[in-house]
Amino acid sequence: AQTVTQSQPEMSVQEAETVTLSCTYDTSESDYYLFWYKQPPSRQMILVIRQEAYKQQNATENRFSVNFQKAAKSFSLKISDSQLGDAAMYFCAYRSADSNYQLIWGAGTKLIIKP
Amino acid sequence: ETGVTQTPRHLVMGMTNKKSLKCEQHLGHNAMYWYKQSAKKPLELMFVYNFKEQTENNSVPSRFSPECPNSSHLFLHLHTLQPEDSALYLCASSPLSELYGYTFGSGTRLTVV
Repeated sequence: AQTVTQSQPEMSVQEAETVTLSCTYDTSESDYYLFWYKQPPSRQMILVIRQEAYKQQNATENRFSVNFQKAAKSFSLKISDSQLGDAAMYFCAYRSADSNYQLIWGAGTKLIIKP
Repeated sequence: ETGVTQTPRHLVMGMTNKKSLKCEQHLGHNAMYWYKQSAKKPLELMFVYNFKEQTENNSVPSRFSPECPNSSHLFLHLHTLQPEDSALYLCASSPLSELYGYTFGSGTRLTVV
């Protein structure tokens, strides 16, 4: 069975600086999708970025980028120029490429932005 | 507007009460999900509906009863809950393609007293 591990329960970063959140996963599959979600105090989960495992190029969305290391089964999220609005829980998730729609979730990392 | 609407936003109920949570999406998604989110724990998948058919029930106690009358609406009926059932209940939907993640609602914060 697949598992997702986020080893950092909490991270803090100074506003305008860069922070990296870690995520590792375990799978025997070769084709899958990886996601980072953000959950601010408003509680709604918001998709931040996604990566297809068959793509070698790391996904980027504005200030958010990933470092996808398929062999190491690592999928870290880098947030550049951190802003106060980035403060939230961040969840890493895995989705198989087969017909199963389920996401496998990490336990989350709480990101604190220091003004 | 998130695309997935959950009501109520907050709910306090006694252990003998019966209540229902509602989820609605008009995104044209085919799959809908109920998740339980407790503090310091990964999200727990409870139920999956695909084209109105239940395809997953992750050993959820029978005091939780889902209903999916059509592909746009999903309910979670609650009865004789326990205090440990207090949590944030999240509804989500997704299209068929694995490329896409889920679209979530804002959740119902449930407190069982």
